[in-house]
Amino acid sequence: NAGVTQTPKFRVLKTGQSMTLLCAQDMNHEYMYWYRQDPGMGLRLIHYSVGEGTTAKGEVPDGYNVSRLKKQNFLLGLESAAPSQTSVYFCASSPRSDTQYFGPGTRLTVL
Amino acid sequence: LAKTTQPISMDSYEGQEVNITCSHNNIATNDYITWYQQFPSQGPRFIIQGYKTKVTNEVASLFIPADRKSSTLSLPRVSLSDTAVYYCRRGDSNYQLIWGAGTKLIIKP
Repeated sequence: NAGVTQTPKFRVLKTGQSMTLLCAQDMNHEYMYWYRQDPGMGLRLIHYSVGEGTTAKGEVPDGYNVSRLKKQNFLLGLESAAPSQTSVYFCASSPRSDTQYFGPGTRLTVL
Repeated sequence: LAKTTQPISMDSYEGQEVNITCSHNNIATNDYITWYQQFPSQGPRFIIQGYKTKVTNEVASLFIPADRKSSTLSLPRVSLSDTAVYYCRRGDSNYQLIWGAGTKLIIKP
């Protein structure tokens, strides 16, 4: 039972490049989330999904897109990366909207 | 504006009880309070959750007064391995999950 996994663990991009972060969970959870974590700011919700085929905006959605084509996967895309998107990205899943299970994180640097 | 405020850092010693308080003045009726623990290079891990009064599990206790404007995470007899960042989070069933900025707890021998 792997829980929540994230791919890749590290990535360096140049400004303007695009990339996709993959989150996978094997707990059959309905809800999935993408957060970014910056020093001194805690966790901020980017997008979330309440089920396969659905997505919704969180607190800081600008510059990101998401897709939930399969229940177990939640993809986060950056179409044109900017230095302000340098952060650690965490994916989480939950059977309800309360207790969340987090992945190990993806450290993204945009130069 | 709904905010969740907690101290930036705290120090304590092995064997002591540690209490971390979170302020959430504008808490909504449906909001639960949840605490998470995070070690470096890892995702946050659930510790405890409550709505009102006191909740206790095998690792911590959570005290929430009647007005629910604050909550206190209590860690009994801490050890060096409890050194981590602790997050307070409020939220309801509509996914309005508001996280505090985290409290860095350092346990000294």
